[in-house]
Amino acid sequence: GQSLEQPSEVTAVEGAIVQINCTYQTSGFYGLSWYQQHDGGAPTFLSYNALDGLEETGRFSSFLSRSDSYGYLLLQELQMKDSASYFCAVRDNDYKLSFGAGTTVTVRA
Amino acid sequence: EAGVVQSPRYKIIEKKQPVAFWCNPISGHNTLYWYRQNLGQGPELLIRYENEEAVDDSQLPKDRFSAERLKGVDSTLKIQPAELGDSAVYLCASSKDRDRTYEQYFGPGTRLTVT
Repeated sequence: GQSLEQPSEVTAVEGAIVQINCTYQTSGFYGLSWYQQHDGGAPTFLSYNALDGLEETGRFSSFLSRSDSYGYLLLQELQMKDSASYFCAVRDNDYKLSFGAGTTVTVRA
Repeated sequence: EAGVVQSPRYKIIEKKQPVAFWCNPISGHNTLYWYRQNLGQGPELLIRYENEEAVDDSQLPKDRFSAERLKGVDSTLKIQPAELGDSAVYLCASSKDRDRTYEQYFGPGTRLTVT
């Protein structure tokens, strides 16, 4: 089975940097995805890491360490519109995506 | 390009009644997923289709839930009879194929309330 842990809540001010950590225990690990979900909205894909290292997409970056079963999502230059829930999700070798419980990010002015 | 379409957006029913949800995935996406999302939790997979074949339904409560994807395009998820614990948001998602399961496109969901 899959087990993912991420913090439940993070609060930061506009312009700040936030790092959301995700640790996982899984059989057949293949890669780690990140999704954003605004309140009442649909989850939207942000990034995917299959190999160790950092992937940068604009203000958002994602990191993976397979040996540590650990990844993080880095949100830079926080904006009010970044207030949302962020989910890490493990992709296994059976093509299944299993989601964590999510981290609620609140951005204050 | 149109996104994943789901209907209805909201549904309120009494327990023991049947309910059905419909999903039309992004055109050309072979893989379709149904998830259930409870408040404050991440989506949980109910069933995955590759074309018209259900390839992972291990988390689908088969005593009351059923799904179909005739012709390998749109799909229907049914609950009969509904229970109070079924209140949740039911999300449909699609990906180009199973290799891109890491990049799924979600519909807006159906918020089900069972009273």
